[in-house]
Amino acid sequence: NAGVMQNPRHLVRRRGQEARLRCSPVKGHSHVYWYRQLPEEGLKFMVYLQKENIIDESGMPKERFSAEFPKEGPSILRIQQVVRGDSAAYFCASSPNAGRTDTQYFGPGTRLTVL
Amino acid sequence: DQQVKQNSPSLSVQEGRISILNCDYTNSMFDYFLWYKKYPAEGPTFLISISSIKDKNEDGRFTVFLNKSAKHLSLHIVPSQPGDSAVYFCAASVLTGANNLFFGTGTRLTVIP
Repeated sequence: NAGVMQNPRHLVRRRGQEARLRCSPVKGHSHVYWYRQLPEEGLKFMVYLQKENIIDESGMPKERFSAEFPKEGPSILRIQQVVRGDSAAYFCASSPNAGRTDTQYFGPGTRLTVL
Repeated sequence: DQQVKQNSPSLSVQEGRISILNCDYTNSMFDYFLWYKKYPAEGPTFLISISSIKDKNEDGRFTVFLNKSAKHLSLHIVPSQPGDSAVYFCAASVLTGANNLFFGTGTRLTVIP
């Protein structure tokens, strides 16, 4: 299966802990997007990265959240000092090129629960 | 600020009938619209799209209609099948702008056998 992989699928953290979400894009895709889906809401864009570069982080909270897509390895979404409001499903998508949103392939998501 | 809205959280349709899912948007800069289908515990899967230069796009049982003046689009599924039961998300983007998608809140379609 060469699709987008995300792990872990489920993550439970206590308030104040750190959460690390991983995304391995489709092989050959160099563009990664992170979206967050709060309960009863649609997916909301957080950040768009290319290899080693953050292109657009306009949807990402300014504090506690960071993302990277290193030259080697998966993309990481990191949430420091988690709070209950961070509980959500986090989806990663990848695409082979920029500018065509219908070429974004989504992973199965990581469901984060903050106790 | 919800720029893409799906006002019907759920829809039930008999197998073989037409399913019509609706979506409204507020941002006149959007020029590309997409529908995604999502099963539980899976990520959204792209279904069909339409550019703002068109008012209709058809792919098999799925047709998307765009009414730019009303800022409204709809997805028609005919005939509906039980396997179509899923949550459908409408999404929009600005082709020449950022690459991010703006999603609606979704409509849960149930096709009754």
